[in-house]
Amino acid sequence: LAKTTQPISMDSYEGQEVNITCSHNNIATNDYITWYQQFPSQGPRFIIQGYKTKVTNEVASLFIPADRKSSTLSLPRVSLSDTAVYYCLVVGGYQKVTFGTGTKLQVIP
Amino acid sequence: DVKVTQSSRYLVKRTGEKVFLECVQDMDHENMFWYRQDPGLGLRLIYFSYDVKMKEKGDIPEGYSVSREKKERFSLILESASTNQTSMYLCASSPYLSRTGGNRNYGYTFGSGTRLTVV
Repeated sequence: LAKTTQPISMDSYEGQEVNITCSHNNIATNDYITWYQQFPSQGPRFIIQGYKTKVTNEVASLFIPADRKSSTLSLPRVSLSDTAVYYCLVVGGYQKVTFGTGTKLQVIP
Repeated sequence: DVKVTQSSRYLVKRTGEKVFLECVQDMDHENMFWYRQDPGLGLRLIYFSYDVKMKEKGDIPEGYSVSREKKERFSLILESASTNQTSMYLCASSPYLSRTGGNRNYGYTFGSGTRLTVV
């Protein structure tokens, strides 16, 4: 079971780049790293996934070092609408996976 | 474009009632999950299923049961609802991650949630 650890909260000003790091020390060889965004009263929304190195899509970038024991979600030039809770989740095969409490990002005008 | 559908958005039930929460996905995913979310506690896994008629207990299965008779449908059952089961319930699905990996999207797709109030 790959347990994840993230900061509980972060503040950022509009227009800044935000980096949220997640540690997953016991990630298995076949596991993938996924990240989600959740707004109040909604289900989490999948943002990005990665296995190693760097992945970029229209929403975010994901950086994964060679040992894969951590990952960093990077949100470029955040706006007020990026205020949400962000979760890191390691997924793999049939194993039970558990969400942590996530990182509450507050974007300040 | 809705891919994971939960049968009710809001539900109010009385203590002791048997409650059924239904979830249907149209992505042919092998895995399905039920979570509950409470303020300050994040998402907690109740049950999950990786195949038809298969189920596994999550972190907080007490007071709940599940049923998966068809691949696309995963039901959560509260045998005798209690006030401490008042919560937001979220269903999710994901594909099975094969050993070969590949370019498939392994992320979870969530439904919109059911806010259950037990009075």
